Amino acid sequence: GAVVSQHPSWVICKSGTSVKIECRSLDFQATTMFWYRQFPKQSLMLMATSNEGSKATYEQGVEKDKFLINHASLTLSTLTVTSAHPEDSSFYICSAGLGRGTDTQYFGPGTRLTVL
Amino acid sequence: DAKTTQPPSMDCAEGRAANLPCNHSTISGNEYVYWYRQIHSQGPQYIIHGLKNNETNEMASLIITEDRKSSTLILPHATLRDTAVYYCIVRVIGNQFYFGTGTSLTVIP
Repeated sequence: GAVVSQHPSWVICKSGTSVKIECRSLDFQATTMFWYRQFPKQSLMLMATSNEGSKATYEQGVEKDKFLINHASLTLSTLTVTSAHPEDSSFYICSAGLGRGTDTQYFGPGTRLTVL
Repeated sequence: DAKTTQPPSMDCAEGRAANLPCNHSTISGNEYVYWYRQIHSQGPQYIIHGLKNNETNEMASLIITEDRKSSTLILPHATLRDTAVYYCIVRVIGNQFYFGTGTSLTVIP
């Protein structure tokens, strides 16, 4: 099946710094990727849709200036959490689809962000 | 996309079939039913999907009622490794995936 990777798998940073998370589709090209956030004991919350070669589409209530998304190629999307604060600590997950047929989404393993 | 309703938790004895229900009474004709599961601290794993016919793969079976207002995911012989949160999602192709609260399945030895 299709494989999606994320890097890093976990990161700890100081408050006020920026953190970049990468999402890669390893064996297929994805024109669209999705970014989610998940707090402990909660479900996944969709943050934004990342479109290759164009601006990301953010869900209501998600600050686009705080969560910068860049989808520079058909296999790579990045999420940068700018000026991170402790409340940004969460599990960030991306997904990508084959973009054909029933467009099943495949998810990355997630990135655990802890902001001190 | 239509909302789904799932029981918050279920238990299943190891080796028995696990039947996970999902209600999607407001589903529209072009929405597919997808099932994913999430093992603790991992990304969701695709299980199966369907439109109106029953589907089966190496992991599970998906039974969709004739009126499409509900479905059941069947894990034929549950193992301890099947302990996870199972999400039922209905979605129009090309649209985003919105996750509900899912069902936490515990497989008991």
